[in-house]
Order: sequence, then C-alpha cells, then structure tokens
Amino acid sequence: GAVVSQHPSRVICKSGTSVKIECRSLDFQATTMFWYRQFPKQSLMLMATSNEGSKATYEQGVEKDKFLINHASLTLSTLTVTSAHPEDSSFYICSARDLVGVENEQFFGPGTRLTVL
Amino acid sequence: ILNVEQSPQSLHVQEGDSTNFTCSFPSSNFYALHWYRWETAKSPEALFVMTLNGDEKKKGRISATLNTKEGYSYLYIKGSQPEDSATYLCASANTGFQKLVFGTGTRLLVSP
Repeated sequence: GAVVSQHPSRVICKSGTSVKIECRSLDFQATTMFWYRQFPKQSLMLMATSNEGSKATYEQGVEKDKFLINHASLTLSTLTVTSAHPEDSSFYICSARDLVGVENEQFFGPGTRLTVL
Repeated sequence: ILNVEQSPQSLHVQEGDSTNFTCSFPSSNFYALHWYRWETAKSPEALFVMTLNGDEKKKGRISATLNTKEGYSYLYIKGSQPEDSATYLCASANTGFQKLVFGTGTRLLVSP
C-alpha cells in the first residue's frame, strides 16, 4: 500500500517551453501533496504544499507563477514548470500524505529528472 | 529555519558489518523525526517516524533511536547486506509547521 507514482520520470526540453509533471497516489487518498526539488549534492528542498481544492502554499523564494501547482482531486497533483530555463534543471519529487496516516508520514514518488537545454 | 545534518556523507562497508549513521536536528519545537531509505531510481521508502524522546524502533536488522533533548537520532544496521546499499535520509518536522526538512543523506555501499 501507500504507492505514489510520478510521470514522466525524465524529461528534456528546450528553453522557454513548459513542462507538466504528474503525481498520483495510487491506493490511498491524499488531502495534501508536497513538491520538492533537489539540486546535485543538496538535500530535498520543499517547494510547495498542495491541498486538494485550494491554492498551494509556496516556500519562500519559490515563484508561484513559474511553478504552477494544481491539486484537483484527492489522488492527483500536477506541477507545471512554465517557460523553463536551464537553471530549472533539477530533480523534482512529490510526496503525498495519507488521509488517515499518522505522524505526518509522507509517501514519495520516484521523482522526475528535468533537463532544460 | 531547521538545519538537519547527517553524517557521514558516505560509507563503504563489507557484508556482515554493522554500521550506524547520525542525524542531528534543532531540538527546539521538535515534532517528529523521519528516516527514509532511498535506492537509486526508486521512491524513498519510509523506515521510521519517531516522536518521543528515548524512542527506539526496529524493522528487521534496522533500528533507530531518538534523543529530542540534544537533537540527534542514530540509525543502526546490523549485519549489513548488499541489498542495504542505498541513501538513508532523515527529515525533521517542528510543531506548528509539520513540513519535513531533510538532511543531505548518508550513502551506504555494502560490498559482498
């Protein structure tokens, strides 16, 4: 149980294009999903917290107009990197918190490697 | 802002060795400490969630302890096996926010 999928696993795009990443909880309902980013040799950094049916809460320094988050259902959240630039190249990973989970436990997807040329 | 530190950064042991890693975190306003095991190309796998000072949890050959007063947690692996090779992440959450702040991880390689 508690499986989270993420697609695509890898994407290469040209500078200026937009990229959408999907995060799905496959066998549970998630009121809250989280989006993280990891640069080489750094820790996972929280970008935003996404609650079903409401606007996402972004961490300081994360541009909400650049990283659009939609959490339209209890099993799906999407992150769209708009007008991507080479500096947006990174590893993006989502997690989901079970409705009935305990102690703030989060279940992670396998991540998406984004390369912007 | 929480600052979570993990040591060592990497570790190479032989099959059968026992090993341990450290996670340190700010002790003020502590809520929970999470340990994850992350194999390459897979999702991070939740190992433990710990909240109480002095807590000790065990899952097979892996165990963890928690000291919330001094702000550290140890993860132990007894009799390491090659399949234990992975990056071990810890993350701390404090009261009021409950969002996870991660360390950079300890990369473990177990040679046969």
